[in-house]
Amino acid sequence: AQTVTQSQPEMSVQEAETVTLSCTYDTSESDYYLFWYKQPPSRQMILVIRQEAYKQQNATENRFSVNFQKAAKSFSLKISDSQLGDAAMYFCAYRPLGATNKLIFGTGTLLAVQP
Amino acid sequence: NAGVMQNPRHLVRRRGQEARLRCSPMKGHSHVYWYRQLPEEGLKFMVYLQKENIIDESGMPKERFSAEFPKEGPSILRIQQVVRGDSAAYFCASSPPGLGNQPQHFGDGTRLSIL
Repeated sequence: AQTVTQSQPEMSVQEAETVTLSCTYDTSESDYYLFWYKQPPSRQMILVIRQEAYKQQNATENRFSVNFQKAAKSFSLKISDSQLGDAAMYFCAYRPLGATNKLIFGTGTLLAVQP
Repeated sequence: NAGVMQNPRHLVRRRGQEARLRCSPMKGHSHVYWYRQLPEEGLKFMVYLQKENIIDESGMPKERFSAEFPKEGPSILRIQQVVRGDSAAYFCASSPPGLGNQPQHFGDGTRLSIL
C-alpha cells in the first residue's frame, strides 16, 4: 500500500527566511502525482504545488519550489522569503494513476512564521 | 467561477441521529471525492464518485455511511446513527473529467460535532 510520511510535526522559520518541509512516500508505481496542500487556521485546503513523477524538472510556483528525488522517493517543499501568511499546516499528498484518483495524505507539518 | 461549495459549514447532531453533508462541485467538474479529517490528523480518503456512479469506496466504513452523486443536484454524504467517533471535518473535492493529472479543488469542509 502506498504511504506518505512527514517526519516533522512542527517547524518554525523567521520572516523572510527560507524553510524546507520534508516528505517521503512509498510506492511500487513508476508514474504518479505528488502535491503539497496548505491548510491555514481557517481550515481550507489550498493547493500549493504539484509534480508529475515522469517530469525530472522540479516544479516551482513563485516562492514555493520542490526538490523531487524519485529514486529516494522524496518530495520536499521549499518556501523562500517566508511571510506571516505562510503560517499553516502543510500536507504532502500522493496520487496514483489509474481508475481511482484518490489522494493519500501525510500527517502534516505545522509551520510557524516568526516576525 | 464559484469554487466547491459545501454545506452546512458546521453541523451538530446527537448520538443516533442522521447527518447529511452536501457538496456542489465546481462548474464543469463531474468527479467528486470525500475525505475525513479527524482532530490532529491528516485527511483520509473515503469515496470517489462520478455522476450517478461510485468509482471507489474503499475508504468508506461499511456500515452507517453512504454517498451519492445524482445526475442533478449536489453530492450527499450520509451518516446514519451517528456516534461520537464520527466527529470530524469532512472535506469534499472535485475535479474535471479527463486524465488523472487534474488537481482536486477542495471545499471549506463541514465540521461535524456529535453531542
